[in-house]
Order: sequence, then structure tokens, then C-alpha cells
Amino acid sequence: GNSVTQMEGPVTLSEEAFLTINCTYTATGYPSLFWYVQYPGEGLQLLLKATKADDKGSNKGFEATYRKETTSFHLEKGSVQVSDSAVYFCALIRGAGNMLTFGGGTRLMVKP
Amino acid sequence: GAGVSQSPRYKVAKRGQDVALRCDPISGHVSLFWYQQALGQGPEFLTYFQNEAQLDKSGLPSDRFFAERPEGSVSTLKIQRTQQEDSAVYLCASRKDRAATNEKLFFGSGTQLSVL
Repeated sequence: GNSVTQMEGPVTLSEEAFLTINCTYTATGYPSLFWYVQYPGEGLQLLLKATKADDKGSNKGFEATYRKETTSFHLEKGSVQVSDSAVYFCALIRGAGNMLTFGGGTRLMVKP
Repeated sequence: GAGVSQSPRYKVAKRGQDVALRCDPISGHVSLFWYQQALGQGPEFLTYFQNEAQLDKSGLPSDRFFAERPEGSVSTLKIQRTQQEDSAVYLCASRKDRAATNEKLFFGSGTQLSVL
């Protein structure tokens, strides 16, 4: 079946540090890949997506590249801010499926 | 409304009680999903509606869980004879159209259920 594995948190960084959150997936076929973010007290929000191999999704300074050869979709940001503190979820939808499959989430804490 | 609304925000139940969780999706959204998010985990799929039709209920953990969307808008997730392992945040999400690759899935803030 489909599955998503993320690095465990919490990840604690100082402001302006470089961020990487690792995500790998297992799926047959060619899934679409997503990063969702959950700020404290708020619902999950789509951060970025990629629908095919070598696509790069980007939003708010975050980037992730769909790597089929390594089945990965790592999230990166060059300079994090305190306001980026949240829980980040990697997820996939495969083909015509309707269901998002999420990873376990990674909590990011950015200190001033 | 402007977003997906869920109520109540918090629910405390004694073991064995029945609970009902409500979801008001974005007006006009065809697709509606329920997810269960245990503490420190990612959301797990429970069930999916397209309008009033429940097309997938493969994620419901037991026959104590029941969901409905009788008029194709508001949905209710009912849990009968609650158990401690049902304690989790229950998330509702809606999507505008039927297209499975449309990623615009809007989530509510969830209902946090605690079973004592």
C-alpha cells in the first residue's frame, strides 16, 4: 500500500537557519506529492505540491522537488522565521485515488 | 461560510457514551472527507462523500463509527459506545469538485475528542 515516512521532530532551529525536512514515500505508479502545514490552533493548509517527477513545488520560500529515483520529496527553506513554527506533513495521492495519505508530521520550532 | 467549520471544538465523553461531530463544509463543495488524527501522528483517512453518497468508508475503524451527509452539505460523524482509543482530533475537509487530482482540499480546525 501507499505510505509516507517523515523525519521525526521536533526540529529546533534559530531564525535565518537553513531547513530540511526529509520525506520519502512508497507507492505504486506515480503519486502526486504534497506538503501541508498546521499552525497552532489552525486547520491543515496546503503549502506546496508536485505532480510529476522532477517537478519543484514552491511557496512562501519553501521548496520541494519530486525525486522519483529516490522516492523523496524533501522540504527546504533557505532562511526560516519564527512564524514558520508549525507542524509539517508530507502527503501523497496516487493516480485517480481520492485519499490523501499523510506522514506522521514534523514539528518545527524556530527560536529568535 | 469562509471555511470548513467543525463543532464542537472540544468534546469530553465518558467511555460508553455516544458522540456526534459536525462538519459544515465550504458551500458548494462536492467532496467531503473525515480524518482521524491521533496525538503526535498524521491524519488517517476515515471516509469520503461525494455529495450525499458515501463512496469510501474503508478507513472507519469499527462498526461503532458511522458517518452521514444526507443533503450533500453538512456531515455528521457519529461514534457509538466510545472507547479510550477513540480519543483523537477528528478533521473534516472539503473540496470543490470531483477531480481526484485537484489538490485544493480545505481542512477544518478539527474536533478534539477525549474519552475518559
